[in-house]
Amino acid sequence: NAGVTQTPKFQVLKTGQSMTLQCAQDMNHEYMSWYRQDPGMGLRLIHYSVGAGITDQGEVPNGYNVSRSTTEDFPLRLLSAAPSQTSVYFCASSPGGVGQTYEQYFGPGTRLTVT
Amino acid sequence: GEDVEQSLFLSVREGDSSVINCTYTDSSSTYLYWYKQEPGAGLQLLTYIFSNMDMKQDQRLTVLLNKKDKHLSLRIADTQTGDSAIYFCAENSNSGYALNFGKGTSLLVTP
Repeated sequence: NAGVTQTPKFQVLKTGQSMTLQCAQDMNHEYMSWYRQDPGMGLRLIHYSVGAGITDQGEVPNGYNVSRSTTEDFPLRLLSAAPSQTSVYFCASSPGGVGQTYEQYFGPGTRLTVT
Repeated sequence: GEDVEQSLFLSVREGDSSVINCTYTDSSSTYLYWYKQEPGAGLQLLTYIFSNMDMKQDQRLTVLLNKKDKHLSLRIADTQTGDSAIYFCAENSNSGYALNFGKGTSLLVTP
């Protein structure tokens, strides 16, 4: 299993540009999430999904969209990039369901800089 | 969301024990976790503890949970330079779909 994969690893955008961060998992996990990590802030939840076709907002959703058309993929779209979105973005997945431990499996991250 | 609190830095000498502390706020959390992040990498699950346990030991790692005080600690015995990393405490959120993380403790192990 590849686990959770993310592309690209690095990206530089200009203010106002849009882009999609890709995330895929091959563990047949129901739950998927996007977090951003900023210095001194820990990880903050952007959006999450509990299954194909179902998404919801986390703590810091503004400026981001998600969709979940398949179990495997959970892309994160930046609609109009702003310097405040400069961050490291992590995708995670979790088996979910009764009796599970809710542990999250993380991808390697995408480092995004908005100038 | 609710705050999970951790001290930001810890420095220990190689061979000593390290103790990283965390306080959490959600008494309904079912599981509490410790994750490790090495420079430039993602988060790796180190261990977790079920909320009805007081202690869990896994090789050099010992997790202690005090539910009354909502206090969680991670002890690393015989700390090595390879243990230098950021350690995150986390609790499962009310929904169970995501985790609430602390800000992380940077552990520096000096020779």
